[in-house]
Amino acid sequence: GEDVEQSLFLSVREGDSSVINCTYTDSSSTYLYWYKQEPGAGLQLLTYIFSNMDMKQDQRLTVLLNKKDKHLSLRIADTQTGDSAIYFCAESINYGQNFVFGPGTRLSVLP
Amino acid sequence: DTGVSQDPRHKITKRGQNVTFRCDPISEHNRLYWYRQTLGQGPEFLTYFQNEAQLEKSRLLSDRFSAERPKGSFSTLEIQRTEQGDSAMYLCASSSPQGMVLTEAFFGQGTRLTVV
Repeated sequence: GEDVEQSLFLSVREGDSSVINCTYTDSSSTYLYWYKQEPGAGLQLLTYIFSNMDMKQDQRLTVLLNKKDKHLSLRIADTQTGDSAIYFCAESINYGQNFVFGPGTRLSVLP
Repeated sequence: DTGVSQDPRHKITKRGQNVTFRCDPISEHNRLYWYRQTLGQGPEFLTYFQNEAQLEKSRLLSDRFSAERPKGSFSTLEIQRTEQGDSAMYLCASSSPQGMVLTEAFFGQGTRLTVV
């Protein structure tokens, strides 16, 4: 079945770069997504990448996709305390009909 | 448009009671999803609608759960005879796919259910 895996925790110093990694299993995934969830809140879409791309940059965010290894990463440049949250990787499945989410990576930004 | 809205935000109920949640999607979105999220986990798919048709249901959705989207706009999720294991955040999302390909889904703030 479909599965998405992420490391559960990451701590970085303010101003450093954060890299959050994700692996997925569905080779038919059309899009891959990064969502952010702050405490007690719903999910906020940060960015997504189409499966025929290998990189996408959006301001401080850089997404890298290695389709051969089914590996996705999210790099946050100049990490700020406001970036502290849980970050979920998600893949579209069933040829784009639905999503499967990873367990989330809790990012802690230390001053 | 203010995005996806869910009501109520919080619900505390006694075991065995029925509860109903409502989701209002973004107005032009024809797809609507329900997910469940327990503490420390990612969202798990429950069901989704294309307009008023319920196209897929997860095996997580037991007979006590029912979802409707009668006019292809808002949706309700009802849980009958609640159990403590139903305690979770229930998330609704909507999207407007381009053709048959899902591009992005927008989530509501969720309804947090506590069964005591």
